[in-house]
Order: sequence, then C-alpha cells, then structure tokens
Amino acid sequence: LAKTTQPISMDSYEGQEVNITCSHNNIATNDYITWYQQFPSQGPRFIIQGYKTKVTNEVASLFIPADRKSSTLSLPRVSLSDTAVYYCLVGDIGRDDKIIFGKGTRLHILP
Amino acid sequence: GAVVSQHPSWVICKSGTSVKIECRSLDFQATTMFWYRQFPKQSLMLMATSNEGSKATYEQGVEKDKFLINHASLTLSTLTVTSAHPEDSSFYICSARDLAGRVREQYFGPGTRLTVT
Repeated sequence: LAKTTQPISMDSYEGQEVNITCSHNNIATNDYITWYQQFPSQGPRFIIQGYKTKVTNEVASLFIPADRKSSTLSLPRVSLSDTAVYYCLVGDIGRDDKIIFGKGTRLHILP
Repeated sequence: GAVVSQHPSWVICKSGTSVKIECRSLDFQATTMFWYRQFPKQSLMLMATSNEGSKATYEQGVEKDKFLINHASLTLSTLTVTSAHPEDSSFYICSARDLAGRVREQYFGPGTRLTVT
C-alpha cells in the first residue's frame, strides 16, 4: 500500500464544510483511494472510494486531482456526530491488498 | 452493505487464561479475513491475515503461538489469545473482503474489547 500523510487533527464547527486532505505521492496505477471513519470503540466504517476526478455519495465527496498524488475528503455541513477519526487508505483493498492504517485525522466538531 | 459480526463484544478474563474471539461474515463469503489490534488513541495495527483452509500469515512482531487464528469456513475466523496477560488488553477488530461485491472495500466488525486482569 502507498504511504499516506494526513493532518493529525482538525477542529471545525457545526454546519461548516470540512475538507481533509491526504497526500499519497507514491500511488500506483491500480490503486484506489478509500476513506474510512471510526468512532471510539467501534470498527471503521467505509465512507467513500474513488480512482480519479470526483466521487460523491450521500455523506461525502472525494476530490482527486489528475496526478492522483493527493485527495480531499469533503464533509458538507458537519454535525457533532461527525466527530471521529478519518483514515485515508490507498491501494486495491477490495482485492489483493491488506490494509495498513496510518494515524488518521482526528476531527473534532464544536457546537 | 455486507455485514461482519464479532463475538463477544467485550470480555474480561484473568491473567493466564485463553480467550477466543469470533469473526463472522453474515451475508457473504470471505476467503480472507484480517485481524487488527487497537490501543487507546492509536491507529489500528494489522496483526495477521486469515486465509480459509490454510495457515494465517502474521505481521512482523506478532507472536503466532500467542495469537492463534483459525479460518475453518468461508464465513468464520477465530482469534484465540492464549495465556493472556494485562498487556494483551486491547480492542480487537476483524475485517473481511467480499470478492463478489461491487465495491472494492473491506468490511469491518464492531470490535471486541478484551480486558485482562
């Protein structure tokens, strides 16, 4: 799996849009970019996955530039319940790759 | 989406005893499952890859004789912590791939909190 770098922590306020950027300079051609969310004492939960350009689902958007060396997870109008740790993972985790987690980004939403 | 369950959700045991944790894929078959350990305020650490019908592959530094993994069927993997000690107290999480699924993801169980006294 390609190594990833993301901010250790972020604070934001309810109702704001939150963008978490992940750097993955060594991403390989077959790699996908996947984001997981983890609440305390729970297993990680899949948020979104993309390969290039932009992907949007009901909870988030994922922006991937043409060179794919970084990606940005965008959470629209966050609420207190979005306080969690967010992990950026790069690889083909659904097929061949085991997941090696980085430190993740601890997002704290303030009222 | 696919569901992975773990049992028990929490367990307290005495030092020196063994504890078995089950990981089940409820609505899909998983030839490969993964076991992680997570200490407070830390990230998940991959312990081993569990392969159905064959021996597990352990990550460097993980004692295979202490953490016994059995993947006897396509829907069940077990992790047995043998001769548990207080330093084994942690949050254990499993995950599984659904190779037949549309999305290229891994599904995680809810975790098992192990406390060794």
